[in-house]
Amino acid sequence: SQTIHQWPATLVQPVGSPLSLECTVEGTSNPNLYWYRQAAGRGLQLLFYSVGIGQISSEVPQNLSASRPQDRQFILSSKKLLLSDSGFYLCAWSVVGASNQPQHFGDGTRLSIL
Amino acid sequence: QKEVEQNSGPLSVPEGAIASLNCTYSDRGSQSFFWYRQYSGKSPELIMSIYSNGDKEDGRFTAQLNKASQYVSLLIRDSQPSDSATYLCAVTLSGGSYIPTFGRGTSLIVHP
Repeated sequence: SQTIHQWPATLVQPVGSPLSLECTVEGTSNPNLYWYRQAAGRGLQLLFYSVGIGQISSEVPQNLSASRPQDRQFILSSKKLLLSDSGFYLCAWSVVGASNQPQHFGDGTRLSIL
Repeated sequence: QKEVEQNSGPLSVPEGAIASLNCTYSDRGSQSFFWYRQYSGKSPELIMSIYSNGDKEDGRFTAQLNKASQYVSLLIRDSQPSDSATYLCAVTLSGGSYIPTFGRGTSLIVHP
């Protein structure tokens, strides 16, 4: 069966510091991969998605970036965090090329910026 | 612009009652519909998928889809306090973007 791993679970970072969140998927090949952010009491905001290695689409212009160095690895990064980057970051995967397949989420990373 | 609307709630029901959660969507080309449950501080968990008009039952959960009226509902029978969570509706177009549009969720509280 497929599993998705996300780490760390919680992170406290000072403003201006860098960020790296990692997500890996097991049990499937060439998945679609996604990064979402959920601010407190708010809906899911799609940040990036990827249909293959090195292919990244950005939904929201901001100081975050994403990379997909391997088929089942998705990384969210920032060079300098802002206070507004605080939130709950979720990685998700879905079957490639199939709009009738749902997304499956990792456990998330709760990021607090001080 | 594709929109998915949900009443934010909270919807409060007594234990043992039927909870009815509703979701409307704007794009008539929508073909796939998903319900997720999200406990406070946790990630969304898929609980139901529905693709055709009508009802789909899975245990205490029933999803209802009406494409003509552009709404999808989730019924939870015999509600339990453990069902207290936020329920997210997600809608996807067919043949085009595989990225679902999520509603902002309805908070459900089941009180003993």
